[in-house]
Amino acid sequence: NAGVMQNPRHLVRRRGQEARLRCSPMKGHSHVYWYRQLPEEGLKFMVYLQKENIIDESGMPKERFSAEFPKEGPSILRIQQVVRGDSAAYFCASSPPPRGYGDSPLHFGNGTRLTVT
Amino acid sequence: KQEVTQIPAALSVPEGENLVLNCSFTDSAIYNLQWFRQDPGKGLTSLLLIQSSQREQTSGRLNASLDKSSGRSTLYIAASQPGDSATYLCAVVADKLIFGTGTRLQVFP
Repeated sequence: NAGVMQNPRHLVRRRGQEARLRCSPMKGHSHVYWYRQLPEEGLKFMVYLQKENIIDESGMPKERFSAEFPKEGPSILRIQQVVRGDSAAYFCASSPPPRGYGDSPLHFGNGTRLTVT
Repeated sequence: KQEVTQIPAALSVPEGENLVLNCSFTDSAIYNLQWFRQDPGKGLTSLLLIQSSQREQTSGRLNASLDKSSGRSTLYIAASQPGDSATYLCAVVADKLIFGTGTRLQVFP
C-alpha cells in the first residue's frame, strides 16, 4: 500500500509565477490536509478537504492560495503570483473516512519544498 | 486558541540514555494526541497515537503518556540510539491537528 505521494519533491519558481503542488492520498483515504512548514518553524495547518469539498480552510492565506480535491485525481495546492515568503516545505496528509481527525492517525507525505527566487 | 509547546527545544545525549520529551497544550478538549518523528528534509512518521480516553501507548522502546486534564503528554525513549536522532513533534487533535514546534534530538555514539 503506497503511502501519501507528493510531487514534485522540489519546486523552484521565480517571483510572480504559479506553483502547483500535488498530493495523492493513501488508497482508501478520502480526507486530505495541507500543512506548511517555514524554515525553523513548526507545521501550520492550511486546509482540510474531502473529495469535491473544502471542510476547513481557516489556515489558508486569503489571497493567492487555493486548494482542491476533485472526484478523480490528486489534491492540488495552488499558489498564484508566488513571493519569496512562500518558500517553505508543504506537507500533505491523509486519513480514512468517515471521522477525519478523530480516531485515525494522519499519514504524511515527504513534502514539496518550494523555493521562490 | 489551542497552543502546543514542547520542551526542551533541543537535546543532545550519549547513546544508551533514557529520555523524556515533554509536550503541553492549553485546551484539554482534544480527540487525541499524536507523536511524530521528522528526519531532516523528510516527511513525518507517525510514532504513537493516544486517544483522549487513554492514558498511554507503547511501541517498542517508545512510551507516550497523556494527562488530558493537566494538558500534558510525555514521550519516553528507552535506551536511546544514534538512529533516534531526529525532530520529535507532538500534535493535538481538536477541530484540526495543531503541532508543537518540536524537540530536536541528537544521540551521539
